[in-house]
Amino acid sequence: ETGVTQSPTHLIKTRGQQVTLRCSSQSGHNTVSWYQQALGQGPQFIFQYYREEENGRGNFPPRFSGLQFPNYSSELNVNALELDDSALYLCASSPRDGSTDTQYFGPGTRLTVL
Amino acid sequence: SQQGEEDPQALSIQEGENATMNCSYKTSINNLQWYRQNSGRGLVHLILIRSNEREKHSGRLRVTLDTSKKSSSLLITASRAADTASYFCATGGGYQKVTFGTGTKLQVIP
Repeated sequence: ETGVTQSPTHLIKTRGQQVTLRCSSQSGHNTVSWYQQALGQGPQFIFQYYREEENGRGNFPPRFSGLQFPNYSSELNVNALELDDSALYLCASSPRDGSTDTQYFGPGTRLTVL
Repeated sequence: SQQGEEDPQALSIQEGENATMNCSYKTSINNLQWYRQNSGRGLVHLILIRSNEREKHSGRLRVTLDTSKKSSSLLITASRAADTASYFCATGGGYQKVTFGTGTKLQVIP
């Protein structure tokens, strides 16, 4: 069973640029959630994708967008990067069938905005 | 927004001692979970306790839940240097969003 993977591991961008982060869900998991974790804070929910559509969103502006593909993998896109977007971005996958209350997290992508 | 507060924010103990961290949450829950995070990397799920349970054990971990006080505690017995990490309580999960607490940073000194 393959766990959740994310790429890249680290990324450095400058203010105003755009970034795409990628996540492959755990085998058999059709729901992917994205979280932002600022330094010293707990992760905060950005949004969730199920059946290739956004299914729930946290308090993040529209410049945070995402995609889910038929193989359940997902992308997080952030436009017009700001300094405060520097954070660890985590994705998590889970099955939709209610068989578990656990989400399985990837190792994260560390984004630094200069 | 964070679900609640964790206490203490940081904890430093000697190897072999027990570590206790507490979590308070704000809303009604179906379950509460604890996660571990090493060095700012991915989160590892430790244990889940349901709202109708009061105590749960898993290896060296013991979790309690008091829904009347909206609080939970995580006890790690006989701590090891490898337990050094940040610990987060969280609510939600499965296909619902997970809402995390602010975390407790645990340092176990060999």
